[in-house]
Amino acid sequence: EVHLVESGGGLVQPGGSLRLSCAASGFTFTDYWMGWVRQPPGKGLEWVALISKDGSEKYYVDSVKGRFTVSRDNAQNSLFLQMNSLRVEETAVYFCARDEDRGGDYGYWGQGTLVTVSS
Amino acid sequence: DIVMTQSPDSLAVSLGERATINCKSSQSVLYSSPNKNFLAWYQQKPGQPPKLLIYWASIRESGVPDRFSGGGSGTDFTLTISSLQAEDVAVYYCQQYYSFPRTFGQGTKLEIK
Repeated sequence: EVHLVESGGGLVQPGGSLRLSCAASGFTFTDYWMGWVRQPPGKGLEWVALISKDGSEKYYVDSVKGRFTVSRDNAQNSLFLQMNSLRVEETAVYFCARDEDRGGDYGYWGQGTLVTVSS
Repeated sequence: DIVMTQSPDSLAVSLGERATINCKSSQSVLYSSPNKNFLAWYQQKPGQPPKLLIYWASIRESGVPDRFSGGGSGTDFTLTISSLQAEDVAVYYCQQYYSFPRTFGQGTKLEIK
């Protein structure tokens, strides 16, 4: 059974940094692109980042370019999101999700980890 | 960026009746080869992550009840629930994966009338 478990969320001050992790199990991690999607409290979904199977290709939403870095450790079946210079408006639940290799739909999601940016 | 606009923002339907949600993209999400629309539909219930219902605009994900169907092509798409069940109360999102950045619609909240 596919499992995605995020961790690393918490309270951080504006301008601070946080590193999110996503532990994957139940499938061959190297067969899939992986992504991050976030959801501010009570609001809709926003796609954040995507990384290729071998980590050589990375894509980001414009608002996080230069501040967020997506990476993966295929030996540890783990996905990461390094977030720097965080802003108040980036308070959200951050989900990791598996790209189903059909172009970009997400068939499996973690439960999410809450990042709160506040002074 | 491709803007995805859903309508309506909220919808109340009686149990057993049909529910239809619309999604319009600001540009076509149809790839001529392989002639597929790069559009997905998700269902999200409170406190849960989204669940994939439909991909390639009309293909039902494994395990999704057949009362859910997707249609449309190019820029205009629909998600239809043929006979609303109580467990279908949720927020529904469309998403394009034709280009980067991937983008979602704003969501449609579906309730029981």
